[in-house]
Amino acid sequence: DSGVTQTPKHLITATGQRVTLRCSPRSGDLSVYWYQQSLDQGLQFLIHYYNGEERAKGNILERFSAQQFPDLHSELNLSSLELGDSALYFCASSLSGLTGAEAFFGQGTRLTVV
Amino acid sequence: EDQVTQSPEALRLQEGESSSLNCSYTVSGLRGLFWYRQDPGKGPEFLFTLYSAGEEKEKERLKATLTKKESFLHITAPKPEDSATYLCAVPGSNDYKLSFGAGTTVTVRA
Repeated sequence: DSGVTQTPKHLITATGQRVTLRCSPRSGDLSVYWYQQSLDQGLQFLIHYYNGEERAKGNILERFSAQQFPDLHSELNLSSLELGDSALYFCASSLSGLTGAEAFFGQGTRLTVV
Repeated sequence: EDQVTQSPEALRLQEGESSSLNCSYTVSGLRGLFWYRQDPGKGPEFLFTLYSAGEEKEKERLKATLTKKESFLHITAPKPEDSATYLCAVPGSNDYKLSFGAGTTVTVRA
């Protein structure tokens, strides 16, 4: 158990809908990262938050947004969902966003868009 | 652009047959190289961090080494439970997002 909690574990929704994925980082970790993993692609970085502030963005679609709250949990919002958004979404946390600290991953949310 | 390339894509081993996985990277000012293990449908599990050329880390049957251009993950006398996809990742040159390689899927047959 990495200490990173993601909910829900599975999500099935229809095209055009909006969903929210939640992540609770390890106790004491200030950084939260979101990644997308689909069958034909590896782990793709989406966005990084450090202590409530956005630090880096990857190839995150405009339909996707995220935030990190004062209690350090994070939410990833996906809207106007398309079939191609079906993937595993992982959250990772690390102690610091200021050094190359190792990141610990949650078990992921499997999103299926039908 | 920072790049991480892993080879081979897949590796089939007999139990006890040692082998090595390669991870080559192009990033200026390496600030760590990370190895993860991922089982199907699960989140990546952290294995090692290497920071400087010549550094080595060991955990059970796994040993990771680092040079200036690449890292190797050696699997000694593997067991079926070592079957997984092994991923390496590096932080970016200008930020700390991890760029992952595509992974090497290792299958160990009994």
